Amino acid sequence: QITLKESGPTLVNPTQTLTLTCTFSGFSLRTNGVGVAWIRQPPGKALEWLALIYRDDDVRYNPLLKNRITVTGDTSKNQAVLTMTNMDPVDTATYFCAHRPAVAPIRHSWFDPWGQGTLVVVSS
Amino acid sequence: QSVLTQPPSASGTPGQRVTISCSGSTSNIGNHYVYWYRQLPEMAPKLLIFRNDQRSSGVPDRFSGSKSGTSASLAISGLRSDDEADYYCATWDDSLGGHVIFGGGTKLTVL
Repeated sequence: QITLKESGPTLVNPTQTLTLTCTFSGFSLRTNGVGVAWIRQPPGKALEWLALIYRDDDVRYNPLLKNRITVTGDTSKNQAVLTMTNMDPVDTATYFCAHRPAVAPIRHSWFDPWGQGTLVVVSS
Repeated sequence: QSVLTQPPSASGTPGQRVTISCSGSTSNIGNHYVYWYRQLPEMAPKLLIFRNDQRSSGVPDRFSGSKSGTSASLAISGLRSDDEADYYCATWDDSLGGHVIFGGGTKLTVL
């Protein structure tokens, strides 16, 4: 059974850096093609894909946010970490991580299952 | 404004068949698979359909996906009250080096 859970701060000050951790079980980032995606959802708004880490060290980013986002994987801890710099109130959202099945190529990406999400509020 | 266009809302009565559309372009839907997710209120999204028309494990055959050209559709037959949720399409987009995109979502109301 695959499970994922996001953890991190619930409140961040503007201009600060956000660090969120996705702790997962039931799969390994060492498995070829398997990945973890980060997706966010501002309150009442649509889903927005942020990044995807797969093959332990290959990462794709949302081109509109790539200058602010870094995703790393820790295969020994079964974790994927999202770092987002220069947080702004518009970044207030529920942040989800999700499992990418081992399918190739990268453009054939779907996400199942998802973590429960964690709400991050950006405010002073 | 999402690159993938979905109607913001849809509705139907119990037992009816409803269809939710997702419109894109040749850089996304036209050349890539489409995926559909359902998000119940206050819950995380759940995969419904992958590779245009394949139902995810446990998804009843009341749900079906299709794709034609640069558009895709999700059809729900035998509508039930617990189908009331937000539905999102997603696919790969080739622009800017390639990335995943989601539609703007459709809120389905069961009247």
